Amino acid sequence: DAGVIQSPRHEVTEMGQEVTLRCKPISGHDYLFWYRQTMMRGLELLIYFNNNVPIDDSGMPEDRFSAKMPNASFSTLKIQPSEPRDSAVYFCASSLGTGREQYFGPGTRLTVT
Amino acid sequence: DQQVKQNSPSLSVQEGRISILNCDYTNSMFDYFLWYKKYPAEGPTFLISISSIKDKNEDGRFTVFLNKSAKHLSLHIVPSQPGDSAVYFCAASALSNNDMRFGAGTRLTVKP
Repeated sequence: DAGVIQSPRHEVTEMGQEVTLRCKPISGHDYLFWYRQTMMRGLELLIYFNNNVPIDDSGMPEDRFSAKMPNASFSTLKIQPSEPRDSAVYFCASSLGTGREQYFGPGTRLTVT
Repeated sequence: DQQVKQNSPSLSVQEGRISILNCDYTNSMFDYFLWYKKYPAEGPTFLISISSIKDKNEDGRFTVFLNKSAKHLSLHIVPSQPGDSAVYFCAASALSNNDMRFGAGTRLTVKP
């Protein structure tokens, strides 16, 4: 299996632009998670899905952030409009069942100037 | 609300010695604890875990200890190797949901 795939790996954009991050979970996994990593706060859970349904989005910082999972093999995290403070590494992870071990993608490093 | 805390942002040890990474949690509902290892430009990878019904779990050079009364866990690496140099994240979850909380991470440097 290829593991969790994220794209792009790096994204540089200007403040005010829309940013879309993409994730393909491991085939067969029914949970998908979006995390944000910053120096100050470490790894923060933004939102997670179970069988494509959003379960908990309490970690989404603002209405500027939205996430979708139209099918079992694809999810997006969108930021509109982006701001410099959104600069961070965004990780997608997936897991099987309520299995505790999550498998992480390589991350997308977002820089908003 | 930092439910999982790693109070040491960095740790440096000599090759061959023991590395001890610490983690504290506040939520008594947590019943499963994990350690992840992260290299630069990569995502975290699962290292070792422990259920709350145990107080120790060992896997090769890695041992995790859990002290439920103190709400504290630690990861011991012995002997430490230069390849162990990475950021280590402690994580905790509760059976009631799949919400996993991570600590801020500890950067371990193992010097040759």
